[in-house]
Amino acid sequence: DIQLTQSPSFLSASVGDRVTITCRASQGIGSSLAWYQQKPGKAPELLIYAASTLQSGVPSRFSGRGSGTEFTLTISSLQPEDFATYYCQQLNNYPRTFGPGTKVDVK
Amino acid sequence: QVQLVQSGTEVKKPGASVKVSCKASGYIFTNHAISWVRQAPGQGLEWMGWISAYDGNTNYAQKFKGRVTMTTDTSTRTAYMELRSLRSDDTAVYYCARQLSKDPDPFDYWGQGTLVTVSS
Repeated sequence: DIQLTQSPSFLSASVGDRVTITCRASQGIGSSLAWYQQKPGKAPELLIYAASTLQSGVPSRFSGRGSGTEFTLTISSLQPEDFATYYCQQLNNYPRTFGPGTKVDVK
Repeated sequence: QVQLVQSGTEVKKPGASVKVSCKASGYIFTNHAISWVRQAPGQGLEWMGWISAYDGNTNYAQKFKGRVTMTTDTSTRTAYMELRSLRSDDTAVYYCARQLSKDPDPFDYWGQGTLVTVSS
């Protein structure tokens, strides 16, 4: 199975901050990576897929980069509604593994 | 609009089975696969498996093989996930999620989740 790690696990930030989360895969997955946002008590929501393609309706302050084994999710200017947990997911192999998550909370 | 509506909360005893439903609307049901993902309390997301709504093909995570069955009913546009021989560590919120119909196939719409509690 492909293992995904995320860093950091927790991130304290303020509104307006630029935030970057890293996801690393245990083997190369090309650009087959997605990012999700999850708020407490809610289902995850797709933000980005194919490493850098913004899902329809997702604000442009979210962006994704990377290929192979290292990927990043960047929020250019953190908004109050962005405090949540973020997960990466690889879509190259089965099982479709998720990273352990990065919780972004208020500094 | 696309919607996935799941069945309600379940409480089961160890050793029992649970069957969760996921009713789809707002799109051509057979054009998209459905994955099932679970989340134990305070934990991350765990992919359980996938079913093609077109032909019923499945792919289960090794961890659940032999204990899980995923099915679809195209007449009612509903996907089902049955998990047998429940244990306390199966306590989780179970989600169905629609997969995009092109590679890579991320999960673009999710159900609201079904809480399954396993307790004696």
